[in-house]
Amino acid sequence: DGGITQSPKYLFRKEGQNVTLSCEQNLNHDAMYWYRQDPGQGLRLIYYSQIVNDFQKGDIAEGYSVSREKKESFPLTVTSAQKNPTAFYLCASSLSPGLNEKLFFGSGTQLSVL
Amino acid sequence: QKEVEQNSGPLSVPEGAIASLNCTYSDRVSQSFFWYRQYSGKSPELIMSIYSNGDKEDGRFTAQLNKASQYVSLLIRDSQPSDSATYLCAVITYSGAGSYQLTFGKGTKLSVIP
Repeated sequence: DGGITQSPKYLFRKEGQNVTLSCEQNLNHDAMYWYRQDPGQGLRLIYYSQIVNDFQKGDIAEGYSVSREKKESFPLTVTSAQKNPTAFYLCASSLSPGLNEKLFFGSGTQLSVL
Repeated sequence: QKEVEQNSGPLSVPEGAIASLNCTYSDRVSQSFFWYRQYSGKSPELIMSIYSNGDKEDGRFTAQLNKASQYVSLLIRDSQPSDSATYLCAVITYSGAGSYQLTFGKGTKLSVIP
């Protein structure tokens, strides 16, 4: 089955701790994205990557970091600098960026602060 | 900052009725428009895309686009309780230098009452 796999489903972070959210896709998509969703809010773009070894900041990149060493993988690290990390994090991919870009989403990771 | 506006709802309709979801966007040159459905606690899934003025029908769903009024809507005919979800409007705008910007609205929560 082709798709996007996010793990873990639930994650708890202690104060001052960095945590990494995993995102893997086997759709052979070029572009990958990380979104944050807060209750009752839309999707806010954290980072995106259009090709391997290249990524760009989105609207709310502060306190987050990413890497894109392989086409299939786009992990997100929530650093201790992110003071309000509790949210639902969604990874997405698309075949290629453009006017016909259709996003496919993973099942999400709910991050909470202990 | 490109904006996509939706009424947050909740929009309540009786089973079998037509649900009408609306979305306005700020950038006159936006070119591609999408509707995603998101069930509570789940990730969004694409249900409709539209690129030209007019109507596009797919089963019980009809997307309507009016670029002059910067308005896109989604009609759901014969609404079912299983349609109860949050519907996200998304707009793609060419932002120059080969880049495209995808912007999501905050979503409208639909509740179909049996």
